[in-house]
Amino acid sequence: RKEVEQDPGPFNVPEGATVAFNCTYSNSASQSFFWYRQDCRKEPKLLMSVYSSGNEDGRFTAQLNRASQYISLLIRDSKLSDSATYLCVVVLGAGNMLTFGGGTRLMVKP
Amino acid sequence: NAGVTQTPKFQVLKTGQSMTLQCAQDMNHNSMYWYRQDPGMGLRLIYYSASEGTTDKGEVPNGYNVSRLNKREFSLRLESAAPSQTSVYFCASLTGASSYNEQFFGPGTRLTVL
Repeated sequence: RKEVEQDPGPFNVPEGATVAFNCTYSNSASQSFFWYRQDCRKEPKLLMSVYSSGNEDGRFTAQLNRASQYISLLIRDSKLSDSATYLCVVVLGAGNMLTFGGGTRLMVKP
Repeated sequence: NAGVTQTPKFQVLKTGQSMTLQCAQDMNHNSMYWYRQDPGMGLRLIYYSASEGTTDKGEVPNGYNVSRLNKREFSLRLESAAPSQTSVYFCASLTGASSYNEQFFGPGTRLTVL
């Protein structure tokens, strides 16, 4: 079983739609969680951290469910520019080892 | 600040050739990483360096060696390239001060081994 699992998609949605991605992790000792965004043929960039209480940044909302060991990313009012691959990232303990999921590809259509 | 820089951007090798991928960061970060990314897959850690003078294996270290030359530079060497090493290679760094830190990536090196 992979340590961090994501549905690879693609998720094809129209502009203005709301879309949600989930990511599951296997190690219950994981302590830090992030969503990264990767555009085609570019490097990944941090989209947002995921806090225990959940957090929101504009149209993006991230949630953490420790009991079920998953994190989610909700995108409201999708824009064409949201088309990208979204990578779930988990950090074990207080170390600096990041484990990446395989990514979920989102395509927003006009 | 340039952030994380990588050279070269593209490289084609023949099986058995060797090469070194260079990475440098100007953010005074302690930790540096080398990943590979294959089509449809996430990033897999090859090697990392938690601080200057230390290096450790990641998930897929076979066929690679690394050198943490100083705090700024972390190079990845392929001694005898194989077609299975065709991939996009990303270098990254982070401060290492706490868990809630952003990892910064270089633009990547696209390597093809024939």
